[in-house]
Amino acid sequence: RKEVEQDPGPFNVPEGATVAFNCTYSNSASQSFFWYRQDCRKEPKLLMSVYSSGNEDGRFTAQLNRASQYISLLIRDSKLSDSATYLCVVGHNDMRFGAGTRLTVKP
Amino acid sequence: DAGVIQSPRHEVTEMGQEVTLRCKPISGHDYLFWYRQTMMRGLELLIYFNNNVPIDDSGMPEDRFSAKMPNASFSTLKIQPSEPRDSAVYFCASKRASGGRFNEQFFGPGTRLTVL
Repeated sequence: RKEVEQDPGPFNVPEGATVAFNCTYSNSASQSFFWYRQDCRKEPKLLMSVYSSGNEDGRFTAQLNRASQYISLLIRDSKLSDSATYLCVVGHNDMRFGAGTRLTVKP
Repeated sequence: DAGVIQSPRHEVTEMGQEVTLRCKPISGHDYLFWYRQTMMRGLELLIYFNNNVPIDDSGMPEDRFSAKMPNASFSTLKIQPSEPRDSAVYFCASKRASGGRFNEQFFGPGTRLTVL
């Protein structure tokens, strides 16, 4: 079993749609949780951290459920510019990445 | 501020040759990571260092791979001899400290390696 597992995707949605990504992790001792975004042929970049209380940044909302070892990312009112691969990241010092979920937002 | 710097950006080599990838982390960051990314396997953690000391190299695929960090501002990942299956994008990342929001990793632009 992989340490971090994500929805395989790809997700193809129209502009304005709401889309949700899910991620599960196996190491219950994990202490840090993030969502990264990776554009084609670029390096991953931090989208947002995920806190136990949940957190929101504009159109993006992240949730953490430690009991179920599950994190999620919700994107509301999706834009063309949201098209990218979204990577779930879990760990503490050794950060483990999920395989990523490809999102394409279409006009 | 300069981000993580990697060189070369692209490397094409023949099977059996030695390949050396280089990384300069962000100044003041205590941790340095080497990742490999392929379509089939995604982003894999190969090894990471804390204060120049290798902490976990369990992700290094085999003895052909080695990594060093002689000082806080420089690290190398070496493949000797290289094989076609080593073709991938190799990322270096660094972060400041352990815990909380300081766990954000900053990635370099990557080295795209092709072994013929």
